[in-house]
Amino acid sequence: DAKTTQPPSMDCAEGRAANLPCNHSTISGNEYVYWYRQIHSQGPQYIIHGLKNNETNEMASLIITEDRKSSTLILPHATLRDTAVYYCIVRVAGVTGGGNKLTFGTGTQLKVEL
Amino acid sequence: DAGITQSPRHKVTETGTPVTLRCHQTENHRYMYWYRQDPGHGLRLIHYSYGVKDTDKGEVSDGYSVSRSKTEDFLLTLESATSSQTSVYFCAISPRGSDYEQYFGPGTRLTVT
Repeated sequence: DAKTTQPPSMDCAEGRAANLPCNHSTISGNEYVYWYRQIHSQGPQYIIHGLKNNETNEMASLIITEDRKSSTLILPHATLRDTAVYYCIVRVAGVTGGGNKLTFGTGTQLKVEL
Repeated sequence: DAGITQSPRHKVTETGTPVTLRCHQTENHRYMYWYRQDPGHGLRLIHYSYGVKDTDKGEVSDGYSVSRSKTEDFLLTLESATSSQTSVYFCAISPRGSDYEQYFGPGTRLTVT
């Protein structure tokens, strides 16, 4: 799977949009971009994923550049409960047999403040 | 809420004792996973299952075994616990299949003394 690069930490004011960047310059054509987050002492939480088109769900939006070498996760109105470590993961599709594991890097620690 | 529970949530055990962790899901999904999470190593796959009695090894399977006799339960056993197995263990399911998103349980914090 392609390697990703994220800033180690970011701050955001509550109520403002949080924009979390991720670089994945070696991504292959069959690799998806996934975002997860982990709130302290809890299990990782799936947020969103995409291949090449922008995606939006009830939690966030995912913007993928046209060359697919980078992406941005957007939390439109960050709250204190969004304080967590956010992981950008690039993951190949089409793995047979069920062993399509997730590989988490170090992620971005997002701190949302009043 | 993905309907995943893990038990126990916390356990302290001594080196050399057997330990079994349980992952239970309420939705009868086919794919289930066991990961461990350690500082500096991120999340690492131990074993996974793609059906009843169908399991396979992940990247850090040494010292661990698993069993899945019912769809809803995936058990992780440390045959003889060692201090290097002190970790937080997460179970996950993949409702749409192995290529798709995974949903995680709350974790079990295991300490081997």
